[in-house]
Amino acid sequence: EDQVTQSPEALRLQEGESSSLNCSYTVSGLRGLFWYRQDPGKGPEFLFTLYSAGEEKEKERLKATLTKKESFLHITAPKPEDSATYLCAVPNSGGYQKVTFGIGTKLQVIP
Amino acid sequence: KAGVTQTPRYLIKTRGQQVTLSCSPISGHRSVSWYQQTPGQGLQFLFEYFSETQRNKGNFPGRFSGRQFSNSRSEMNVSTLELGDSALYLCASSSTQNTEAFFGQGTRLTVV
Repeated sequence: EDQVTQSPEALRLQEGESSSLNCSYTVSGLRGLFWYRQDPGKGPEFLFTLYSAGEEKEKERLKATLTKKESFLHITAPKPEDSATYLCAVPNSGGYQKVTFGIGTKLQVIP
Repeated sequence: KAGVTQTPRYLIKTRGQQVTLSCSPISGHRSVSWYQQTPGQGLQFLFEYFSETQRNKGNFPGRFSGRQFSNSRSEMNVSTLELGDSALYLCASSSTQNTEAFFGQGTRLTVV
């Protein structure tokens, strides 16, 4: 069974303090890995898709990387508006839209 | 363009009742997926519809069902509600070509 584990569960950073979130996965044949951001009371917002080990994608202060067993979401010089829960997910063997999500990392950036 | 629209945003139901939630996908998107989100379990896949056919199904009891109409709008139904069904129900749509899914704001269901 596909599994996604995210760590830490919660992270508190000072504004400008860079850090990384981890997502480790166990799947039978990786078809991609998704990163989403979710604000309280809202649906997840798509950030990145990574397809193969070594791939990297960037968006503003965020950079996602992928290895054969895990993915990292690096946050450089975060701002308070980066506070959110970050979710990692992998598509299951049934097809891209059957997706297993991690429990998420709740990030709080303090001014 | 307009995003994924879910209605209603909030619902309070009594145990034993049934409920229907609605989802209008992004125009042109034919795939609609439903997820249940709870604090303890996170986001869990319920089912996916594509061109009015259920393509994938998660590990939920038969009380959870859905359907999709010819205009790609989808409904989810939960019968004989239990307290444990209290959750945020999220709908996501995607086009036939892309893998990324776009989520709606969700329906917050409270069962009392």
